[in-house]
Amino acid sequence: KQEVTQIPAALSVPEGENLVLNCSFTDSAIYNLQWFRQDPGKGLTSLLLIQSSQREQTSGRLNASLDKSSGRSTLYIAASQPGDSATYLCAVNLDNFNKFYFGSGTKLNVKP
Amino acid sequence: EAGVVQSPRYKIIEKKQPVAFWCNPISGHNTLYWYLQNLGQGPELLIRYENEEAVDDSQLPKDRFSAERLKGVDSTLKIQPAELGDSAVYLCASSSPWGEHRGEQFFGPGTRLTVL
Repeated sequence: KQEVTQIPAALSVPEGENLVLNCSFTDSAIYNLQWFRQDPGKGLTSLLLIQSSQREQTSGRLNASLDKSSGRSTLYIAASQPGDSATYLCAVNLDNFNKFYFGSGTKLNVKP
Repeated sequence: EAGVVQSPRYKIIEKKQPVAFWCNPISGHNTLYWYLQNLGQGPELLIRYENEEAVDDSQLPKDRFSAERLKGVDSTLKIQPAELGDSAVYLCASSSPWGEHRGEQFFGPGTRLTVL
């Protein structure tokens, strides 16, 4: 079974800071990895999807990287804003079985 | 384009009562997922459909939970009878193996169930 770990569980930073969220997984035979954001009481919003053949994906101020050999992905957020405050989750799709394993998330608070 | 639609958004029931959740995926998405999310945790898969076929229901408590996707489009998840421990958020997601967003999951807003 794929184990997905996200560290730290919570993070508080001042506005404008660049930050990195971490996601580690135990089985490197992944098909793709997806990063989500979840606001309180809401569903998950897809941020970035990285296929196993890719090393990184970028969308605006977000950049996600994937290192399959070390079992790690990072989500880089540039110039953080209070509106970025949310819980960020990563999900690993094992070998195109469309079975996603989720981490418990990192709760981010960006202070004005 | 409409996203994943779920109803109801909130449901409060007494224990031992039945409850049903409905999901309509993004048009053209053949894969549909039902997840359960407890507070402070990531979603856990309950069942996955490829078109109308349930291809992964290993985590579905079959003594009280059932699901259907009869025409390969919308889906219903049922709990009967509900227990206190079923209080959680039930999320529906869908994906397609084709196109620009192949393999990418899109989620609905979820149904928050409270069992009293």
